[in-house]
Amino acid sequence: EAGVAQSPRYKIIEKRQSVAFWCNPISGHATLYWYQQILGQGPKLLIQFQNNGVVDDSQLPKDRFSAERLKGVDSTLKIQPAKLEDSAVYLCASSLDAGGKTQYFGPGTRLLVL
Amino acid sequence: SQELEQSPQSLIVQEGKNLTINCTSSKTLYGLYWYKQKYGEGLIFLMMLQKGGEEKSHEKITAKLDEKKQQSSLHITASQPSHAGIYLCGAPGGSQGNLIFGKGTKLSVKP
Repeated sequence: EAGVAQSPRYKIIEKRQSVAFWCNPISGHATLYWYQQILGQGPKLLIQFQNNGVVDDSQLPKDRFSAERLKGVDSTLKIQPAKLEDSAVYLCASSLDAGGKTQYFGPGTRLLVL
Repeated sequence: SQELEQSPQSLIVQEGKNLTINCTSSKTLYGLYWYKQKYGEGLIFLMMLQKGGEEKSHEKITAKLDEKKQQSSLHITASQPSHAGIYLCGAPGGSQGNLIFGKGTKLSVKP
């Protein structure tokens, strides 16, 4: 069974530029998560989708971050404009559904904002 | 809000030695996940514990959840260089099942 796929693996941009990350979850997984992991910290949830609907985006900085999962499968996370403090690893995870099901993570996208 | 504290923050052990990593919650745990992360990589699922007193093992790694469900430990027996990485504990932090994580424990194993 294929795991969670993410691309790109690495991205370097200058502040005020925009960037987008892509995630394809495990087939059949209804719930998709985006986490931000700053160096030396644990992952922090940005947004959670159930199928193509948002169930939690309380920690998403909506003035610059946006995410979508239009067809309930793959998802895109965008940052516009990027700030220096957005430098982090962006992790996508998926689970069969919400409510205690094990989350499986992709390899992450490492973003460096200069 | 719930917080998870891991100890130690980092650990260096000689190959073959045993070690323990702890994860303490500020609130009762209704599920506790252990993940391993190689530097700059994603998280690899190790084990999930739910019941007080529960213990699970996989190869040389054993995880326990205490009876009061506020602390979990991860024990590695006869450590190997392949065990090196960052170990993270996570717990459901909201009604939607998303996880909150500790800051991680960085393990180095000297050959």
